[in-house]
Amino acid sequence: QKEVEQDPGPLSVPEGAIVSLNCTYSNSAFQYFMWYRQYSRKGPELLMYTYSSGNKEDGRFTAQVDKSSKYISLFIRDSQPSDSATYLCAMSAAGSARQLTFGSGTQLTVLP
Amino acid sequence: GAGVSQSPRYKVAKRGQDVALRCDPISGHVSLFWYQQALGQGPEFLTYFQNEAQLDKSGLPSDRFFAERPEGSVSTLKIQRTQQEDSAVYLCASSFTGREQYFGPGTRLTVT
Repeated sequence: QKEVEQDPGPLSVPEGAIVSLNCTYSNSAFQYFMWYRQYSRKGPELLMYTYSSGNKEDGRFTAQVDKSSKYISLFIRDSQPSDSATYLCAMSAAGSARQLTFGSGTQLTVLP
Repeated sequence: GAGVSQSPRYKVAKRGQDVALRCDPISGHVSLFWYQQALGQGPEFLTYFQNEAQLDKSGLPSDRFFAERPEGSVSTLKIQRTQQEDSAVYLCASSFTGREQYFGPGTRLTVT
């Protein structure tokens, strides 16, 4: 079983919808949580970065971390066709180990 | 400012050839990471540098893979005697804190 599980989708929503993307993880050492957006044939782009549990909002994006359930979410409000991409969750442990462990990504399409 | 750049963007190698992939990190970023991304999967960690020191190479899949960052800036990932299973996108990321990582566009390697 992978350390980070993410539903691959594909997920298709109409423009303006609220999108919910989720990941679960098994390693309780993870303390830093990130969401990346990756367009086709491009590198991952950092969207959100949170430390430990709680919520963080940035424009139309909200990231939530529930460490007790080992569950993280990304919400996208008022989704736009330009949000169509693959969304990757990523996380890392505290201490000297800095590498990110990624989910497999959820492919999102926002239909105009 | 300029982001992470990688070259070449695309590389086709015959099985058995050696390849060298270059990464130019964001200026001032002391941490540099290499990841490998297979089609439809999230990136997987290969190796990590802090300045010129290679602190973690636990993700390198075999001794055919070698990375260096001699002056603490530009890094090169070298793959010797390439095999078909090495075909993937190789991503470089840099970070000032070691936590928030910013990715380059990747090098797509195809081994024929």
